Amino acid sequence: EIVLTQSPGTLSLSPGERVTLSCRASQTVTSSYLAWYQQKPGQAPRLLIYAASTRATGIPDRFSGSGSGTDFTLSISRLEPEDFAVYYCQQYGTSPRTFGQGTKLEIK
Amino acid sequence: EVQLVESGGGVVRPGGSLRLSCAASGFTFDDYAMSWVRQAPGKGLEWVSDIKWNGRRTGYADSVKGRFTISRDNAKNFLYLQMNSLRGEDTAFYYCARSPELGIGSGALDIWGQGTMVTVSS
Repeated sequence: EIVLTQSPGTLSLSPGERVTLSCRASQTVTSSYLAWYQQKPGQAPRLLIYAASTRATGIPDRFSGSGSGTDFTLSISRLEPEDFAVYYCQQYGTSPRTFGQGTKLEIK
Repeated sequence: EVQLVESGGGVVRPGGSLRLSCAASGFTFDDYAMSWVRQAPGKGLEWVSDIKWNGRRTGYADSVKGRFTISRDNAKNFLYLQMNSLRGEDTAFYYCARSPELGIGSGALDIWGQGTMVTVSS
């Protein structure tokens, strides 16, 4: 099983700031099959990025993903108030598919 | 409108069984693989199981293997999760989600339902 470790666990930032979240895999993620999801309280997760760097339909271009192999990042160029949420990475190249433990972005 | 609606959650005693359903609408169901993902209260996401478009290949998390069975009915546009030998640690919100079978987005969970709560308690 591929273990995904996200860091940091929690980030306190202000609107307008730039942020980079990390997701590190215990083994190479096949074909960069790595996705990022956003989840707000009381809501289902929403797909942001797939194939490590492709934005899902309707996702603003302030969100970007990069990485390959075992190291991946999600960046948000300028935080908007609606971006404060929990972010999860997931690898879907190998079964069992696995999620990271999440990074919580909170307003400073 | 593309939609996934889960049902079948509830309270069940340890050792009991429950069957979750997920009704799909607004898209061609058999163009997509389907998954179940769960989230214990206050915790992160845990992938549970998935099934290919034709039902011929399935996958399970080690934590549910041998106890849970995923299936689908493409004629009715339904996904199911049969859960047997339930334990306290199975208590969670259960989401169904779809992923395209083809293309660069294949495998990523692009549409999610709102979930159904399963509580395992005596």
